[in-house]
Amino acid sequence: DAGITQSPRHKVTETGTPVTLRCHQTENHRYMYWYRQDPGHGLRLIHYSYGVKDTDKGEVSDGYSVSRSKTEDFLLTLESATSSQTSVYFCAISVGGRGADTQYFGPGTRLTVL
Amino acid sequence: GNSVTQMEGPVTLSEEAFLTINCTYTATGYPSLFWYVQYPGEGLQLLLKATKADDKGSNKGFEATYRKETTSFHLEKGSVQVSDSAVYFCALTSPTDKLIFGTGTRLQVFP
Repeated sequence: DAGITQSPRHKVTETGTPVTLRCHQTENHRYMYWYRQDPGHGLRLIHYSYGVKDTDKGEVSDGYSVSRSKTEDFLLTLESATSSQTSVYFCAISVGGRGADTQYFGPGTRLTVL
Repeated sequence: GNSVTQMEGPVTLSEEAFLTINCTYTATGYPSLFWYVQYPGEGLQLLLKATKADDKGSNKGFEATYRKETTSFHLEKGSVQVSDSAVYFCALTSPTDKLIFGTGTRLQVFP
């Protein structure tokens, strides 16, 4: 258990509203990631962070932004939610000191955009 | 770029049957290879990994061997249990320091 929590665990929102998902870790790891999981696509990387205030885009970053003001928290914001962003969102950390190393995942947030 | 291809699911087996889930990859350099498992309603958990050619990763009766000559990392288990029912993801490291995941293979084991 890498001490990763996500909040909220479930959320229903309406199209056009902003939404923020939180990922919290207790072990001070440098690398953190946000993925979305959709049927037929596996996991796709949205954004990642390699330290406080150091973030970068993944393969499906359009419509999402992130912030990391503290080592333990990584926030994902949907600036104006759309139905195509209905998905399960997972946060992950890398424990090997490099991004491309074993990753541990949070329990996920199921987001529904109506 | 680096990519992973997994066999389509679902894979449906009876308890105690032999399991193989195929995974092949395309990569530059020498990636590390992983299998992750996702049980219903949970996040992904690392099942096993291999970091160089001919390495065998193993855990909980599952095994996979890093085959560079066939660019494969097939997951095997000699005798599956109902509790192994889950979605299995193959993954590899990319040159840009991230993990790339396959689309997942659902395994259903019936008593």
